[in-house]
Amino acid sequence: EAGVTQSPTHLIKTRGQQATLRCSPISGHTSVYWYQQALGLGLQFLLWYDEGEERNRGNFPPRFSGRQFPNYSSELNVNALELEDSALYLCASSFGEFEVTQYFGPGTRLLVL
Amino acid sequence: DQQVKQNSPSLSVQEGRISILNCDYTNSMFDYFLWYKKYPAEGPTFLISISSIKDKNEDGRFTVFLNKSAKHLSLHIVPSQPGDSAVYFCAAKVAGNMLTFGGGTRLMVKP
Repeated sequence: EAGVTQSPTHLIKTRGQQATLRCSPISGHTSVYWYQQALGLGLQFLLWYDEGEERNRGNFPPRFSGRQFPNYSSELNVNALELEDSALYLCASSFGEFEVTQYFGPGTRLLVL
Repeated sequence: DQQVKQNSPSLSVQEGRISILNCDYTNSMFDYFLWYKKYPAEGPTFLISISSIKDKNEDGRFTVFLNKSAKHLSLHIVPSQPGDSAVYFCAAKVAGNMLTFGGGTRLMVKP
C-alpha cells in the first residue's frame, strides 16, 4: 500500500513569490494535515482538511492557505513568500476525522531566497 | 509556550539494553499521545500511541507509559537495536486533531 506522497521534494523560490506544495494521502484516508518544520523549531501544525473542508488552522498568517480536492489530495499555497518560510513542509493523512493516528509523507523542503 | 517538551536532546544506549525516552506536557486537555520516529530526509513514522484514559500500551519492543498526575509519558524500547537510531518525537492531540510535537530526542544505539 502506497504511503503519503508529496511533491515536489525540493522547491526554491524568491521572496514575494508564491509556492504550491502537493500531497496525496494514503488510499482511503479522507483527512489531510499540513505541518511546518522550520530550522531550529519543532513541527508546527498548519492546517487540517477533511472531506474537502478546512476543519482547523494553526497559528499562521492568512497567506498560508490550501484546499482539498474531491479525490482527497491537497495542496498548500504560500503567498508573498518570506525568508522565514524556508522550512520542511510535511503532509499527513488519517482515516477520517476520528482516527487519531496521522501518517506522514516525506516532506517538501522549501527554500526562500 | 511549549506545551510538549522533550528535555533530553540526545540519548546513547548500548545494543540490547533498554532505551527510555521521556516527554512532559502541560495541557491537561490532551486526549491522545503518540510517538514518532524520524530518519534524516524522511517524514516521521508512527510508532505507538496511548489514550489519556490508559496508563500503558505495548506493541512488540515498544511500550508507552502515561502518568497523568505528573503529566509525563515515556517510551521504552527493549531490546534496543542499532536500527532504532533516529530522532524520536512525542506528540499530543487535542480537539481539532492538531498534534503538538516535542522538540525530539536523538537516540543512538551503539553495537
